[in-house]
Formats: sequence, structure tokens, C-alpha cells
Amino acid sequence: GDSVTQMEGPVTLSEEAFLTINCTYTATGYPSLFWYVQYPGEGLQLLLKATKADDKGSNKGFEATYRKETTSFHLEKGSVQVSDSAVYFCALANTDKLIFGTGTRLQVFP
Amino acid sequence: DSGVTQTPKHLITATGQRVTLRCSPRSGDLSVYWYQQSLDQGLQFLIQYYNGEERAKGNILERFSAQQFPDLHSELNLSSLELGDSALYFCASSLLGASGRASGNEQFFGPGTRLTVL
Repeated sequence: GDSVTQMEGPVTLSEEAFLTINCTYTATGYPSLFWYVQYPGEGLQLLLKATKADDKGSNKGFEATYRKETTSFHLEKGSVQVSDSAVYFCALANTDKLIFGTGTRLQVFP
Repeated sequence: DSGVTQTPKHLITATGQRVTLRCSPRSGDLSVYWYQQSLDQGLQFLIQYYNGEERAKGNILERFSAQQFPDLHSELNLSSLELGDSALYFCASSLLGASGRASGNEQFFGPGTRLTVL
């Protein structure tokens, strides 16, 4: 069945460092891909999405490109802030339901 | 604030008991989804309702059931609770519920209900 694999955390960075969180997927057809973020004690918020190959999703300085040839959707940010500390989930949708990766905790220190 | 509300925020109960979790979707959203987040299983899709009808089922136990009412709010019923049912239960809503190529619709998540079974 469809699945999402993302890098284990926690990822620990200093403020202004470059961030990459790897995400690969296995799916039939042409799924939509998402990154959701979960701040402590809160629900999930959509960070960005891409619905077809070569689409780039971007929001709040975060970017991810839908790469069908490598079945990947890696999350990147050029300069992280302390306020970016959260758990990041990669997800795909082939129908309506979301299939999530295990989540990657990001900790950013000043 | 996503516009999705869930009650209660916290629930503590004993094994063998039954609980009901409630979700109100964003105004205008017809689809409601339930997800379970636990340390060992991660985030898993349980069930989806669209405009009052069950649309898709995931890894939902037979002890669990859900429904969506005419006003579009939804309830998730968990019975014969076990220690392993302790988890965060999220509700999400989206405007559309069509399958196939409509999969790009954003789902808006509520703050969750934390269930602790003692």
C-alpha cells in the first residue's frame, strides 16, 4: 500500500542554519504531497503542498519540490528560527485520506 | 485557529469504559476525518464521513464507531477501552470529499482530544 518515509529526528540546529528534512513516498498513480507542522500542544497545520510532479510548494520560507523520478518531497528552509521548532510531518493523499510519515522533531537553538 | 473544534480537550477514563469524542467542522466543510496519534503507531487515519455518509475506513477497530449528523458535526465512539487506546485523537475537515483527483484538498485539523485510559 501507499506509504511515506521521513528522516528520523530530532534534528537540532542553530538559528539561521539551513534545514533539510527528507521525505520519500511509495504510491500508485499520482498522489498529492503535503507537509504539515505540529507545534507543541496544538493540532496539525498545513505548511505547504504540491499536487503534481515538478510542482514546488512554498510557505513561510519553507519549500518542497514534488520529484516523481526520485519519489521525494524534501522540506527545506534557508534560515531557521527558534519559532520553527516543532514536529514536521510529510504526508500523501491518493484519495481523500492522508497517509503520514512518522514525523521529524526540529529543535532550533538561539 | 483552524475553525475545527473538538471536545473535550482531555479525557481520563478506565479500561472497559466507553467515551464519545465530538468534532465540529469548519463552516461549509462537508467532509470530516478522524485520525489517531499514538507513540507506537504514529498518525493513522481512522474513518471519513462526507455529508453524513461514511466515505472511507482506515485502521479503525471494531470497538470504535463514528457518525456524522445532519448539522455536519461528528462523533467518534470508543468502547471497551484498553490501555493501548490512550492516544491523541484528531478530527479534520475539508470542503470536498471526492475521491481520485480531488486529493489535493487541504484538511484543517482540530486541536485534538487527549484520551488517557487507566
